[in-house]
Amino acid sequence: EPEVTQTPSHQVTQMGQEVILRCVPISNHLYFYWYRQILGQKVEFLVSFYNNEISEKSEIFDDQFSVERPDGSNFTLKIRSTKLEDSAMYFCASSKGVTGELFFGEGSRLTVL
Amino acid sequence: KNEVEQSPQNLTAQEGEFITINCSYSVGISALHWLQQHPGGGIVSLFMLSSGKKKHGRLIATINIQEKHSSLHITASHPRDSAVYICAVPEGVGGATNKLIFGTGTLLAVQP
Repeated sequence: EPEVTQTPSHQVTQMGQEVILRCVPISNHLYFYWYRQILGQKVEFLVSFYNNEISEKSEIFDDQFSVERPDGSNFTLKIRSTKLEDSAMYFCASSKGVTGELFFGEGSRLTVL
Repeated sequence: KNEVEQSPQNLTAQEGEFITINCSYSVGISALHWLQQHPGGGIVSLFMLSSGKKKHGRLIATINIQEKHSSLHITASHPRDSAVYICAVPEGVGGATNKLIFGTGTLLAVQP
């Protein structure tokens, strides 16, 4: 069964460092998403991406964050200068349609020290 | 902006029991998602529904659009059903979007 894969599963970084989280969505899906979950809190929407551009983003998704699909298969989330409060589990997801069923990756746990 | 409330927050059941988890939202939606989060953190989509009822194995999801309420039922519960169950809805009115607002989740523990 097709699945969304994410790497790394866990990354530890120092505050101020750049981090790139990678995702390979399901191949025939057109919509890609990043969500995050701070430990003990609700899952939160960060950004959606369609047709090589951001379609929606939340207030959390400020200038420190960026997404791109560099090669037609990978979908990446970059955090330019990490803060302590960026520590969270980051989930990539994809769907066929704009309101389609979501398929999630296993998550990338980011720890900022 | 939509708001989501789930109940109960925690639920302990004995193996074989029938389980119901409830979700209410404040603004009309195009579809509601039920998700399962495993102890390791991974999230799996269980259902996406916009009306009526859907069934998959021992899981049943229902939605009442007029009352802005959905329920997730598990029949003949099993310890492997132990997980966090999360309801999620689009953020805006009638939203045709996966910019979702998530509930706080219901932590289910099924004891043998």
